[in-house]
Amino acid sequence: AQSVAQPEDQVNVAEGNPLTVKCTYSVSGNPYLFWYVQYPNRGLQFLLKYITGDNLVKGSYGFEAEFNKSQTSFHLKKPSALVSDSALYFCAVRDRSGNTPLVFGKGTRLSVIA
Amino acid sequence: DVKVTQSSRYLVKRTGEKVFLECVQDMDHENMFWYRQDPGLGLRLIYFSYDVKMKEKGDIPEGYSVSREKKERFSLILESASTNQTSMYLCASRGDRRKPLYGYTFGSGTRLTVV
Repeated sequence: AQSVAQPEDQVNVAEGNPLTVKCTYSVSGNPYLFWYVQYPNRGLQFLLKYITGDNLVKGSYGFEAEFNKSQTSFHLKKPSALVSDSALYFCAVRDRSGNTPLVFGKGTRLSVIA
Repeated sequence: DVKVTQSSRYLVKRTGEKVFLECVQDMDHENMFWYRQDPGLGLRLIYFSYDVKMKEKGDIPEGYSVSREKKERFSLILESASTNQTSMYLCASRGDRRKPLYGYTFGSGTRLTVV
């Protein structure tokens, strides 16, 4: 069975500081990994994905994520946080067999303080 | 851009009512999904559909059913609404099943309150 863990319910960071939102996963074989962001009263928006190749993936709004196979992690990062980055972030995974749905983590609320 | 439209942003229904949540996508996507979102529980998959008239149960199908009579429309049905179905409901679609690497496109969500 596939699963995703986001160990932090809330992450607080000062504006201008680097941010990290953690994600670990469990899946049979190699994963497809995704990050989504949700702003208040909105649906989820796609940020980035890891399919294959370079372990460092760059996405929208200056975000990037690093795939670490040995640690089964896919942490979301940004070098310099903005107040506008404050939102709810979801990590998602699926295996490479067939056309299975994405499995989402519980979400991490990021607060960037001015 | 793909657009996924959920017919209602906010909905209030009474216990025992039959409730229909509608979702329409405009890009001829084959795959469509219904999730519910609850604080501390993240997104949980209710039902999904790979094509017209096809449906698959997700992780929490109890109390729900779905209908996919046309490719662009995927309806979630609460046969007899209960207060524990108060939640945010999110619809998503994904492109061609031969291209499963595509991410999802989500609708804006329907916040359902059952009183």
